[in-house]
Amino acid sequence: DQQVKQNSPSLSVQEGRISILNCDYTNSMFDYFLWYKKYPAEGPTFLISISSIKDKNEDGRFTVFLNKSAKHLSLHIVPSQPGDSAVYFCAASALGYGNKLVFGAGTILRVKS
Amino acid sequence: IAGITQAPTSQILAAGRRMTLRCTQDMRHNAMYWYRQDLGLGLRLIHYSNTAGTTGKGEVPDGYSVSRANTDDFPLTLASAVPSQTSVYFCASRRENTGELFFGEGSRLTVL
Repeated sequence: DQQVKQNSPSLSVQEGRISILNCDYTNSMFDYFLWYKKYPAEGPTFLISISSIKDKNEDGRFTVFLNKSAKHLSLHIVPSQPGDSAVYFCAASALGYGNKLVFGAGTILRVKS
Repeated sequence: IAGITQAPTSQILAAGRRMTLRCTQDMRHNAMYWYRQDLGLGLRLIHYSNTAGTTGKGEVPDGYSVSRANTDDFPLTLASAVPSQTSVYFCASRRENTGELFFGEGSRLTVL
């Protein structure tokens, strides 16, 4: 049973518009959440993170929102650019889980120009 | 700074053969990880090591073994490869103060 779920396998967005990628988790012990971006033939790279003591973290065009009661987080990219086209993985960890990251299945984002 | 270096980049292997995927980091991170990436399943943890001399099992450890003789190296061994181990394998290390993982570029393994 997947503890971190990304229910949308893919998302297509027009350049300049907002991209919203969603992630749900089931383990209430998770207290740290990260988003990773992956281009083909490359390893995943860290994008942005959020601790469970916050409900929002912003870094430039990227904002992550956390709703603990719903066990849901989302990544907003505004404005979306063609270079944002990649696979986005949501990940979660817990101090009580040895800080090992549990990843979702990923969402393929395509930004059309 | 190279970060995480993995070798080989890709390999085709006959079933039943033994294979070791190499991973080296130059960031002096204590914790290291091996993940496999499969379509629709994301990244799944195979084995991990919190510090040199210790290892632990992840989500999908069967058929794999690891060792951590020193801080820099974390090889992953398939003792007798099977077709279901066809995957892309990523090695990673973790920065202690942020929890951020740094990944290598991956090793694509095909078992026939």
